[in-house]
Amino acid sequence: KAGVTQTPRYLIKTRGQQVTLSCSPISGHRSVSWYQQTPGQGLQFLFEYFSETQRNKGNFPGRFSGRQFSNSRSEMNVSTLELGDSALYLCATGTGRDTEAFFGQGTRLTVV
Amino acid sequence: GNSVTQMEGPVTLSEEAFLTINCTYTATGYPSLFWYVQYPGEGLQLLLKATKADDKGSNKGFEATYRKETTSFHLEKGSVQVSDSAVYFCALSNTGNQFYFGTGTSLTVIP
Repeated sequence: KAGVTQTPRYLIKTRGQQVTLSCSPISGHRSVSWYQQTPGQGLQFLFEYFSETQRNKGNFPGRFSGRQFSNSRSEMNVSTLELGDSALYLCATGTGRDTEAFFGQGTRLTVV
Repeated sequence: GNSVTQMEGPVTLSEEAFLTINCTYTATGYPSLFWYVQYPGEGLQLLLKATKADDKGSNKGFEATYRKETTSFHLEKGSVQVSDSAVYFCALSNTGNQFYFGTGTSLTVIP
């Protein structure tokens, strides 16, 4: 079956702009989590959505937000971009009933 | 709280050498433990997992045993190949889809 699909794969944005990233889960998966990966901070949890509700949230400022649609697809939005937001953003999807998750290939965001 | 401490890299080995990457954890409750692998420019791929104490996860010649008494989940492989060169992440999850990751260990295998 199809894996986790993240779009776009690469993005270049200017400071102050906003950006929206998309994650389409594996069919049947209702849980979607987002992670930020940087060389300095490693992999950090942003938030998790399950059945259109945010279930958990990490320690990121309010500029980072997300949502999940009825088909389980999720979007992540970052407003007022800063240089430090440059990172690989990964989403992981799962059934929500166990702890196994499958990751997408990520969106590489560069803020200039 | 939850955290994972992973052996610092980078690690360079010759082909067919024995590999150990140490991983210890701190967790509330009874987490599941995972090893993920990341190849350049890619996302994370699940390598193996263990969901309870004394479970052994294994895949592609890699193994790790969930040791509750030492709070460890060390990754081992008896004979590494050049194709094993990647970054390896130890992780735990207590609930749903929220993972706590170690800092990653870069492995390079030379022919």
